[in-house]
Amino acid sequence: GDSVTQKEGLVTLTEGLPVMLNCTYQTIYSNAFLFWYVHYLNESPRLLLKSSTDNKRTEHQGFHATLHKSSSSFHLQKSSAQLSDSALYYCALSHTGYQNFYFGKGTSLTVIP
Amino acid sequence: GGIITQTPKFLIGQEGQKLTLKCQQNFNHDTMYWYRQDSGKGLRLIYYSITENDLQKGDLSEGYDASREKKSSFSLTVTSAQKNEMAVFLCASSIRLGGHAETLYFGSGTRLTVL
Repeated sequence: GDSVTQKEGLVTLTEGLPVMLNCTYQTIYSNAFLFWYVHYLNESPRLLLKSSTDNKRTEHQGFHATLHKSSSSFHLQKSSAQLSDSALYYCALSHTGYQNFYFGKGTSLTVIP
Repeated sequence: GGIITQTPKFLIGQEGQKLTLKCQQNFNHDTMYWYRQDSGKGLRLIYYSITENDLQKGDLSEGYDASREKKSSFSLTVTSAQKNEMAVFLCASSIRLGGHAETLYFGSGTRLTVL
């Protein structure tokens, strides 16, 4: 069945260093939709990025991700981490005809001074 | 814009008690969801509903009931609270476009503690 893997559960980075959070997925469907959600403490989770187009870079709020169907990956990147990026990040998968989402286990990012 | 309102924000119950969590959305979205958030386990689906009076079980439905009597509301009942259970329950909604679920919009959560 479909699944999403986020291999890092906890990531701690020093401010200013690049961010890369891994997301790989498995699906038998060619029309996959990939999402990154961010959950800041004391707020509601919200969409950060989404994509369904192979090899197209998607950007929002300094973060970017490129869906690579050949490697089933949708890694989240940012060139320079900020203290305010500390949050829980979820990668999620859906596909046409499916009313639900498959979520990864989440990566907790902590950025330190 | 719209909003998803979850009540209560904090819920403290006793072991064996039946507890109900409520969720309202004013996006006019078709589909609504209940997720349970546990540290290190991600978001796990309990129930979802694609329209009024529809209910679909998720992977974690055992021990829970749900009700979608109106398009705008979706409630979740913990049928018998388990001692030492602590979790955050997140309600979400999404629009259906082109036959698939689109972006999820989340409420701020209900934090459950069972004594």
